[in-house]
Amino acid sequence: KAGVTQTPRYLIKTRGQQVTLSCSPISGHRSVSWYQQTPGQGLQFLFEYFSETQRNKGNFPGRFSGRQFSNSRSEMNVSTLELGDSALYLCASSLEFSRAAATEAFFGQGTRLTVV
Amino acid sequence: AQKITQTQPGMFVQEKEAVTLDCTYDTSDQSYGLFWYKQPSSGEMIFLIYQGSYDEQNATEGRYSLNFQKARKSANLVISASQLGDSAMYFCAMREPRAAAGNMLTFGGGTRLMVKP
Repeated sequence: KAGVTQTPRYLIKTRGQQVTLSCSPISGHRSVSWYQQTPGQGLQFLFEYFSETQRNKGNFPGRFSGRQFSNSRSEMNVSTLELGDSALYLCASSLEFSRAAATEAFFGQGTRLTVV
Repeated sequence: AQKITQTQPGMFVQEKEAVTLDCTYDTSDQSYGLFWYKQPSSGEMIFLIYQGSYDEQNATEGRYSLNFQKARKSANLVISASQLGDSAMYFCAMREPRAAAGNMLTFGGGTRLMVKP
């Protein structure tokens, strides 16, 4: 069973540009969450998509957006990049939310974004 | 709001010895789930173990066990017989089983474990 695939693995962008990151979840998983990891702020939740709808959103500016396609693949977009957006962006794939179950999230290897 | 605290930024352990990584949490919910993840230098987050707040027994998965003390709001990870490959960052995380929260995880700051040969 293939794991979570994130592309690209590494990216260098210039301030002011925009970037799109891609995440392909595990087959059958309909929930995709995105996290930003930085040395200063740690791991922070960006948003979650479930069945093509954004279900939950973290405390990030509107420059951060995402979407999910009918095949559950997800993309996140960051517009007008700032130096502080340099981070490891992790995508997590989960089964449908269940109150009772240990719905662990399976993570991809991440996309390391550097803004110069 | 939830909060996860990992008070040990870094730890050393001798190969083959056991080590405990601390995690305390703060939530007003009665129902919640606690997770531990391992992050090697490659960046991928690897799921290790899960404990539900209503689980009466401590979770175990191979060399990993979770010392869950609900009244103290702590969920410490115990790794037995440490191996060199255990050197990594370890994160404690919580999920609220509310539909509005979905699958969102709140993470602690992490502990860097270094295993000495």
